[in-house]
Amino acid sequence: EAQVTQNPRYLITVTGKKLTVTCSQNMNHEYMSWYRQDPGLGLRQIYYSMNVEVTDKGDVPEGYKVSRKEKRNFPLILESPSPNQTSLYFCASSLGFPDTQYFGPGTRLTVL
Amino acid sequence: AQKVTQAQTEISVVEKEDVTLDCVYETRDTTYYLFWYKQPPSGELVFLIRRNSFDEQNEISGRYSWNFQKSTSSFNFTITASQVVDSAVYFCALSGSNDYKLSFGAGTTVTVRA
Repeated sequence: EAQVTQNPRYLITVTGKKLTVTCSQNMNHEYMSWYRQDPGLGLRQIYYSMNVEVTDKGDVPEGYKVSRKEKRNFPLILESPSPNQTSLYFCASSLGFPDTQYFGPGTRLTVL
Repeated sequence: AQKVTQAQTEISVVEKEDVTLDCVYETRDTTYYLFWYKQPPSGELVFLIRRNSFDEQNEISGRYSWNFQKSTSSFNFTITASQVVDSAVYFCALSGSNDYKLSFGAGTTVTVRA
């Protein structure tokens, strides 16, 4: 089944404790992206990747890192999480850009 | 910079009523793409439609229809004869041709009451 998977789905952590949210797609898509969803703000793009080893900032990249060492994986790294990073995070992928993006199930992160 | 405005925060209707969701966009690109996504209470994001800036034909898919008007920079979405299963948050989104970003509106929450 073609899909985008994210892990973990739920995470509660404390300020400053490094964490990684994994994202994987099995559709051989070149474009991958991370978004955060906050009430009243819709989805905002954090980082995107056009292909392996090619990443760039979205609209809200501060406090986040990404890497794209393999085509199928695009992990999101929070090196020192803060409470304002409490949010619902979505990973998405598409064949290219601006092809339709397909989204993972979301990761709900709470930073205490 | 691109911007998508969904002025309606919440809409509540009774089943079988029609509901129209407004989407107004801003872009300097001459080539751009518009999308609608649905987010049901379960939380996943479901793709509904993609439209490019050169195709102004309206589209109908079952009870869903979309009205794209470049003159007013709008891409409105109508659900005809709404059903309880249509209750969801609906997002309009825009991507241009000069960067690789997708910009979303704030979303409109639709509640359909039985």
